Amino acid sequence: IAGITQAPTSQILAAGRRMTLRCTQDMRHNAMYWYRQDLGLGLRLIHYSNTAGTTGKGEVPDGYSVSRANTDDFPLTLASAVPSQTSVYFCASSDGERGADTQYFGPGTRLTVL
Amino acid sequence: GQNIDQPTEMTATEGAIVQINCTYQTSGFNGLFWYQQHAGEAPTFLSYNVLDGLEEKGRFSSFLSRSKGYSYLLLKELQMKDSASYLCAAMDSNYQLIWGAGTKLIIKP
Repeated sequence: IAGITQAPTSQILAAGRRMTLRCTQDMRHNAMYWYRQDLGLGLRLIHYSNTAGTTGKGEVPDGYSVSRANTDDFPLTLASAVPSQTSVYFCASSDGERGADTQYFGPGTRLTVL
Repeated sequence: GQNIDQPTEMTATEGAIVQINCTYQTSGFNGLFWYQQHAGEAPTFLSYNVLDGLEEKGRFSSFLSRSKGYSYLLLKELQMKDSASYLCAAMDSNYQLIWGAGTKLIIKP
């Protein structure tokens, strides 16, 4: 059992390019999340999905979009990357649709936008 | 607004005890989480408190006071492998986690 996988591990991207970060979990968790982590700041929620077919905006959603076509996959797309989107991106999942469930994190994607 | 405060960095000695404090202000409250994050790795779950009091789990304990908006993580018998960042996160009324910036713990031999 892999838990949560993310791809790519790292990426250098030219500004203006489109990029999709992939996230897959095999725990059959209902809820999934995308965070970004920047030095000196706490994890910030970009988008979330409480269950397949639904998504919601987090604290910093601008410039990002997500989809949740099935339980396992939750891709994050940057339509036109900008340097301020340089960050480490973590995908996470939790068991319940709602509730105080523990979130489990993928290994992260380190993205640099030049 | 919603806010989590924790010290930026702490230093402790191998074999000693260290307490990492966290204060929080959230819109509603559904519990307090502590995660450990080694450099270059993902956060991993350590503890969850929703009721006042101390929860002990091996060398790690976590305490919560809801009336004071305060929690701490206590690490005993420190080992070099405990060198990491410790993230405090409070769950708000929408069941979303509000994260602190993390406390970098440096363990010296």
